[in-house]
Amino acid sequence: GENVEQHPSTLSVQEGDSAVIKCTYSDSASNYFPWYKQELGKGPQLIIDIRSNVGEKKDQRIAVTLNKTAKHFSLHITETQPEDSAVYFCAASGTGNQFYFGTGTSLTVIP
Amino acid sequence: KAGVTQTPRYLIKTRGQQVTLSCSPISGHRSVSWYQQTPGQGLQFLFEYFSETQRNKGNFPGRFSGRQFSNSRSEMNVSTLELGDSALYLCASSGTGIVRETQYFGPGTRLLVL
Repeated sequence: GENVEQHPSTLSVQEGDSAVIKCTYSDSASNYFPWYKQELGKGPQLIIDIRSNVGEKKDQRIAVTLNKTAKHFSLHITETQPEDSAVYFCAASGTGNQFYFGTGTSLTVIP
Repeated sequence: KAGVTQTPRYLIKTRGQQVTLSCSPISGHRSVSWYQQTPGQGLQFLFEYFSETQRNKGNFPGRFSGRQFSNSRSEMNVSTLELGDSALYLCASSGTGIVRETQYFGPGTRLLVL
């Protein structure tokens, strides 16, 4: 099956700086890659997603890039704010609606 | 539109007992997937239901089972609980059941097995 690796596991940035989280996947058949943000005591919330027919997608301060050849995709958050502090998960689609998740990145934005 | 709801939010059980968790998907969504989240293993797929049929299953023992009702609400059951079953159980719903469709998660049920 699919294997998703996510780095780094923890990330601290100063408020206003950018944050980048990277994921790699193993199955070339995967074609949908969502990113989720999970705050303490809550379920994961979808923040952005990308399909394999697109190389980059942006939504305000958040962007995702995908390199199908290298099988990696990245989340970019610009102008970070304290409310961006959370755990971020990448995922890759598998068979049917089964998704494989990375192990998460705990992001801390220091005011 | 109301989001995915899960009940109960917290549960404490003892080893050997069984437990049933409930998930109500977003109105109009027909696919419900269940995940187990633990600090050591992360988010792991349990199974997916679509139109009352299990469409996909992860690598969990048969003690983990589920079902879906005609109104798309889903339940999962864990029998003969073990300490290692302590986890956050999340359900996610998606709309039309097209594969590789966006999934929306509920807040989860936190299960503690003593």
